[in-house]
This record gives sequence, structure tokens and C-alpha cells, in this order.
Amino acid sequence: DGGITQSPKYLFRKEGQNVTLSCEQNLNHDAMYWYRQDPGQGLRLIYYSQIVNDFQKGDIAEGYSVSREKKESFPLTVTSAQKNPTAFYLCASRVWGLGQPQHFGDGTRLSIL
Amino acid sequence: GIQVEQSPPDLILQEGANSTLRCNFSDSVNNLQWFHQNPWGQLINLFYIPSGTKQNGRLSATTVATERYSLLYISSSQTTDSGVYFCAAASIQGAQKLVFGQGTRLTINP
Repeated sequence: DGGITQSPKYLFRKEGQNVTLSCEQNLNHDAMYWYRQDPGQGLRLIYYSQIVNDFQKGDIAEGYSVSREKKESFPLTVTSAQKNPTAFYLCASRVWGLGQPQHFGDGTRLSIL
Repeated sequence: GIQVEQSPPDLILQEGANSTLRCNFSDSVNNLQWFHQNPWGQLINLFYIPSGTKQNGRLSATTVATERYSLLYISSSQTTDSGVYFCAAASIQGAQKLVFGQGTRLTINP
């Protein structure tokens, strides 16, 4: 089946530890996005990538890093510099160009031990 | 950047009732989407509707781009319609970056 796969569903981080969230899509979409959702809030954009080997900061990029080495993959690393990482993280993708909706994965819940 | 505001923040209805959710946005858009987030956090695409009207079963949506608002209609509500509904928009100058509203939490009681 075509879709967007995020793993793991649940992740626990120790203080001072970097963790990486996986996002893979087999939809042949050009653009990929990472969002963060805090309880009772809407989603906020962390990073996005329009093409391979290129990515741009979103509204809340501090403490996060990404890479886009392959079209189908856009992993997000939550670094130790992110002081409040507990949140729900959602990955999305779309065909690049006007008139194209974003499609979302099922998310990863990150908690601090 | 573009601002997206949703109303009401909370809505409690009895099963069978109809509801209207509103989304106001502050700039011209070339992408507007409505989503339903279920209790497990999954974000379900409902409509891609930067302008015009669409219907899908008991749900329909209308966007009046010139007046910068969109409406989501739910008819004959069912308990499974409960959850949070999000509107998200991307401005023409916004490089296709979706900005989300704060959501409307809908509770349908049996």
C-alpha cells in the first residue's frame, strides 16, 4: 500500500540524548515536512524539504536537525539542545507544485524519561 | 505570515445534530485543507478546498477565498465524528507551508 510510515510510534529520550524519528514515503512525493503538536494545540512546522539534498527551516527549527539524502526518506533528529522535546511529531508529504494537498503519517509520540 | 483562526474552540452536540465549523485566514491562499484528528492522533484528510464547495457523504466544505473564510458542515452527527477538526492554509507567498489553526474540539454525545 502507498503511504507515509513513521517509526517508532512511541519513543522515550533520556536527558542529554539525541534521538532520530523516521519518516518514509512510497508515494513518489517531492516535498516532505515535519510538524510538532503540543497538547491542545495545532501543528507547527519544524523543517521542510522540496527536493533531495535541500531543506529549509520552519517556524520552530531550534534544537532539531534533518537530512534528505533520498527522495523517500526525511528523518528528524531531536537534539539535546531541544529543551522541551515532549510532543507528538507528524510527518507529511506532497507532490510539489500548486494545487497539491499534504498527506500525513500516523505520528510519533516522544517523551522524556 | 498568514494567520489561521478557528471557531468555536469547543462544540458539544447530541447525536443527529448538524454543525458548522468556521476557519478565517488572513491572506490569499492557494492551499486550504480540513483535517479530522481522531483520539489516536491520526490526522485524516477531509477536504482540499482552496476555493469552492465540495461534499463527501455527510460532510461538506465551502471556501470563499475573496472573503478569506472556510466552513465545514457536518450533518446528522455520529459519535464517531468526535475529535478535533483542524483547518490549515498556505498563502500564495508562503512556499506551500501549511499554517494550522488551533482546532475545534467536537464532542458528539449519544
